[in-house]
Amino acid sequence: QKEVEQNSGPLSVPEGAIASLNCTYSDRGSQSFFWYRQYSGKSPELIMSIYSNGDKEDGRFTAQLNKASQYVSLLIRDSQPSDSATYLCAVMGRYSTLTFGKGTMLLVSP
Amino acid sequence: GAVVSQHPSRVICKSGTSVKIECRSLDFQATTMFWYRQFPKKSLMLMATSNEGSKATYEQGVEKDKFLINHASLTLSTLTVTSAHPEDSSFYICSARDPDHNNEQFFGPGTRLTVL
Repeated sequence: QKEVEQNSGPLSVPEGAIASLNCTYSDRGSQSFFWYRQYSGKSPELIMSIYSNGDKEDGRFTAQLNKASQYVSLLIRDSQPSDSATYLCAVMGRYSTLTFGKGTMLLVSP
Repeated sequence: GAVVSQHPSRVICKSGTSVKIECRSLDFQATTMFWYRQFPKKSLMLMATSNEGSKATYEQGVEKDKFLINHASLTLSTLTVTSAHPEDSSFYICSARDPDHNNEQFFGPGTRLTVL
């Protein structure tokens, strides 16, 4: 069974710090990886996608992928209180279905 | 970016009634849409994959006769919860795959269903 593992947190960081969120996956054949942000009571919002090994940067967000280690991470620089949310790691499998981790709650304190 | 809408956003119904939820892709054509359910403080659970013009593919443990899915056009999929019971109360979220954006999935705002 395909699994996506995340630390549930909460991960607490002060405003302005770097938040580091991690995710591991079990299906070695996976090729597409995503990070979604979900505020309480809301639906997930896609913030990053990554398909090849290495880093991908978009504004304050950097996604990192290491397929050999089956590891995906998300770095948030200059964290803001508005970044406080649950971050879901998702891995695309067969038929383009997504398998989600349980999410990591991030708390950014002013 | 790709926009997906859902209607209604919130519904309260009596036990035994049926509820229909609509999911629309507003600015792209989605041959594939997905329906998820999320219980409080839990992760998203895929219920089914909805393909335009064909039968939906249900995940293991999801009753296809209880959760009817119709994907009659490239921009609309519907989920009908039939004979709803209190244990069906949940947050139902659809997503649509955008073929013009690397097949990335974009989520609708969700429908909160409460069955009394």
